[in-house]
Amino acid sequence: DGGITQSPKYLFRKEGQNVTLSCEQNLNHDAMYWYRQDPGQGLRLIYYSQIVNDFQKGDIAEGYSVSREKKESFPLTVTSAQKNPTAFYLCASSIPPDTEFTEAFFGQGTRLTVV
Amino acid sequence: GEDVEQSLFLSVREGDSSVINCTYTDSSSTYLYWYKQEPGAGLQLLTYIFSNMDMKQDQRLTVLLNKKDKHLSLRIADTQTGDSAIYFCAERSDSNYQLIWGAGTKLIIKP
Repeated sequence: DGGITQSPKYLFRKEGQNVTLSCEQNLNHDAMYWYRQDPGQGLRLIYYSQIVNDFQKGDIAEGYSVSREKKESFPLTVTSAQKNPTAFYLCASSIPPDTEFTEAFFGQGTRLTVV
Repeated sequence: GEDVEQSLFLSVREGDSSVINCTYTDSSSTYLYWYKQEPGAGLQLLTYIFSNMDMKQDQRLTVLLNKKDKHLSLRIADTQTGDSAIYFCAERSDSNYQLIWGAGTKLIIKP
């Protein structure tokens, strides 16, 4: 079955630590995205990648880093520079968004809590 | 700037119709979407409408688009307990093709 998988589902981080959230897709999608979801707010774009070895900052990239070494994988690192990292993180993928119609496929999310 | 607004909550009785409203600002948006998020899960595309359409119907779902007022609505007929979720409105920016999301409307079903 094709899909997009995020792991882990729950993650706890001590203050000052970096943590990496995994996102893998087998949909053969070129574009991948990381969003942050906080209660009462829409999805905010952290980073996106249109193609392998290329990625762009979204609206709230500070304190986060990404890599796109393989088409299937787009890991997100939450660094110690991110002052308020507790949130629900969603990864998504799609065919190139400048095509006529695109649907974003989402993973099940990772809930990150700072302890 | 671009913005999408929705009410945060909607409460309806089981069997009634639910109407979730959304306003957007980018008049050049080609596609407008409704996504559904069940508790603790990712989002799934529910339906979408192309900007040259006024209405789209799909079983219990009806999407209405008023392009002049930049207003989008999602009507769910005969609301069931399984419809409990957060519903997100999104528009696709034609400047950078990114999706602009609303805050989501939590649909609460009363027995």
